[in-house]
Amino acid sequence: AQSVTQPDIHITVSEGASLELRCNYSYGATPYLFWYVQSPGQGLQLLLKYFSGDTLVQGIKGFEAEFKRSQSSFNLRKPSVHWSDAAEYFCAVDRSGGSYIPTFGRGTSLIVHP
Amino acid sequence: DADVTQTPRNRITKTGKRIMLECSQTKGHDRMYWYRQDPGLGLRLIYYSFDVKDINKGEISDGYSVSRQAQAKFSLSLESAIPNQTALYFCATSVGRGTEAFFGQGTRLTVV
Repeated sequence: AQSVTQPDIHITVSEGASLELRCNYSYGATPYLFWYVQSPGQGLQLLLKYFSGDTLVQGIKGFEAEFKRSQSSFNLRKPSVHWSDAAEYFCAVDRSGGSYIPTFGRGTSLIVHP
Repeated sequence: DADVTQTPRNRITKTGKRIMLECSQTKGHDRMYWYRQDPGLGLRLIYYSFDVKDINKGEISDGYSVSRQAQAKFSLSLESAIPNQTALYFCATSVGRGTEAFFGQGTRLTVV
């Protein structure tokens, strides 16, 4: 079965430090890949998405992600974290079984220390 | 105004009560979804609908039912609420394959 794995439940970084959040997918073909962010008390907002082509994609708020087919990974990065980046981050694919349905990982909670 | 609106935003209900969570959207999308979020479990799909006449169960549909009253409205019902249905519930919409999902702000449901 297709799945999305986010191995880190919590990540703590200092403000100004770099960030990498990990995401692996299990799928026979390359799915459409997404990263969403959920700020406290809010719904999810799209950060970026990958369909095909350039494997490094740029998103909003200074985030980027790199697709690596050989590792079945789609890791999210930011060179310098701001306190306002503290949130829950979800990796997602658009497949669940034979249907195109947004399917999410368990999420990674980002804590930013001053 | 929000494109995807959920009502109520917060609700406390008693075990055994029937409760309905409502979702309406102004985005004109055919596809609508209900997810539940629990700490450490991410978002799990309860039901989804690809159009008004198409309703499908997700991975955790037991204890829930839905109604797609119109393209813009998709309601989730708990026929007899139980405490382990305490969670944050999200409605979402999308256009189709490979497209972004748009979320409501969520309904925090507590069953006591």
